[in-house]
Amino acid sequence: EPEVTQTPSHQVTQMGQEVILRCVPISNHLYFYWYRQILGQKVEFLVSFYNNEISEKSEIFDDQFSVERPDGSNFTLKIRSTKLEDSAMYFCASSEVLLRQGREKLFFGSGTQLSVL
Amino acid sequence: EDQVTQSPEALRLQEGESSSLNCSYTVSGLRGLFWYRQDPGKGPEFLFTLYSAGEEKEKERLKATLTKKESFLHITAPKPEDSATYLCAVHGSGTYKYIFGTGTRLKVLA
Repeated sequence: EPEVTQTPSHQVTQMGQEVILRCVPISNHLYFYWYRQILGQKVEFLVSFYNNEISEKSEIFDDQFSVERPDGSNFTLKIRSTKLEDSAMYFCASSEVLLRQGREKLFFGSGTQLSVL
Repeated sequence: EDQVTQSPEALRLQEGESSSLNCSYTVSGLRGLFWYRQDPGKGPEFLFTLYSAGEEKEKERLKATLTKKESFLHITAPKPEDSATYLCAVHGSGTYKYIFGTGTRLKVLA
C-alpha cells in the first residue's frame, strides 16, 4: 500500500539552528499537511498546502516556519531558528481529495522526532 | 472555534471485555469525522470517516457511529493487539485542517 515517507526519523539540533524536515507524500495526492505532537499532547495542525501555496496555517506556524514543494515529489518543512519548545514529533500527511464524501482520508507518515538542545 | 473532546483519557479492559470510546465535537459545518489509531512512536493510522448523523462504519472488532454532537468507537471483544491510542478528528466547512482530540489510551490485558 502506498505510504507517506518522512526523513530523517530523528533529528537533534542546537537551539538557533535551522532544520529541514522532509516528506514524500503519496504520489497521486494533492493536499499536504504538517502536524506536530509534543510528547503526551494532542496532534496539532501547523499548515496545509495545495496547488503550490499555503491553504491555511495555525498560530504556531509563525515567520520561523516555511514549507516548500521543491519538485514533484518532496514536501519540506523548514524551521529557521529552532527553539527549545519546537521539540516534538513532526508528522507529514497527505490526502487525495478534500470534501468529497467517501474518499476523504488523511494519510500520515511515521514522523520525525525533533530534539532541540 | 472547532473543538474535539475525547473520553475517557485512558481505558484498561480485559481481553473480550467490550466497551466504547467517546468523541464529542463542536464544529461549524461538519464535513467529516475521522477515527485514527496511533501506536507509540508512530503516525496516526486511518480507521474510519463518518460524514452524517446516523452513519455507521465497521472494521473487524471496531464500529464507529455518529450523532450531531458526538461519535462513539465501539470495541467488541477486544484483543491485546487492539491496545493503542485512538484519536478522533473533525474537518469543518470552510477549512483546510483537521482538528484532533487528545485521544483515548486503550490497554487490553490478556
